[in-house]
Amino acid sequence: ILNVEQSPQSLHVQEGDSTNFTCSFPSSNFYALHWYRWETAKSPEALFVMTLNGDEKKKGRISATLNTKEGYSYLYIKGSQPEDSATYLCASESGGSYIPTFGRGTSLIVHP
Amino acid sequence: GAGVSQSPSNKVTEKGKDVELRCDPISGHTALYWYRQSLGQGLEFLIYFQGNSAPDKSGLPSDRFSAERTGGSVSTLTIQRTQQEDSAVYLCASRNRGNTEAFFGQGTRLTVV
Repeated sequence: ILNVEQSPQSLHVQEGDSTNFTCSFPSSNFYALHWYRWETAKSPEALFVMTLNGDEKKKGRISATLNTKEGYSYLYIKGSQPEDSATYLCASESGGSYIPTFGRGTSLIVHP
Repeated sequence: GAGVSQSPSNKVTEKGKDVELRCDPISGHTALYWYRQSLGQGLEFLIYFQGNSAPDKSGLPSDRFSAERTGGSVSTLTIQRTQQEDSAVYLCASRNRGNTEAFFGQGTRLTVV
C-alpha cells in the first residue's frame, strides 16, 4: 500500500493570494501522479496526470510540477479566487498496480 | 456524453440490513474503481475491475463487502449486515487505462443508523 501524504491539511487565503500545496509519494516503482479538485456536493474532477520526472502542467491559473526521484509534486494556484475553494487531492500509482492511492487532501478556502 | 452515474445518491439504512450501491461507468471504459470516504478520512480504495480480469479486492475491509461488474459495464457494491462504521460516501470511478485521468461519479452517501 502506497503512503501518499499531502500538506497542509487546510489552508485559508485571501482572494488574489497565490498559494501552493505539497504531495509526497513513494519514489520507487513510480508510474503516475494525479491531481484532482473536489468541490462540495460535486464529483472529484481531474486537474492533471503526470508521468515524467520534471513534468510541469498548467491549466489556467493552476499549475503542477513533478519530481519522481525525490517523490514529491507541488500544485500552485496563482491569484486565488473564491471559486477555487475546494479540496485538492493527489493520488499516486505504482507500476503494475494501476490503482491510484489518494492522500487525505488539502482543503482550500479562499475568502473574498 | 454521459458521465459516471451512481445510485442512489443518498441511502439511510438500519444496522444489520444489506445495501446495494450501483455504478454506471462511462461507456467503453475498461477500468472501474470503488472508493469510500469516511468522515475525516481520505479516499480509501475498495476494489478495482479491469476488463475481464479477476478484480483486485485487496481494499475490501471485510467479507461483508462484495462487488461485481456485469458485462464489463455496470457495477454493484453490496454491503451485508451493515454496521455504523460503514457510514461513508462511496465513490465510483472509471477510466480507459492506467496513467490516464479517472472520471468520478457524485457518490452515494450511506448512513447506517
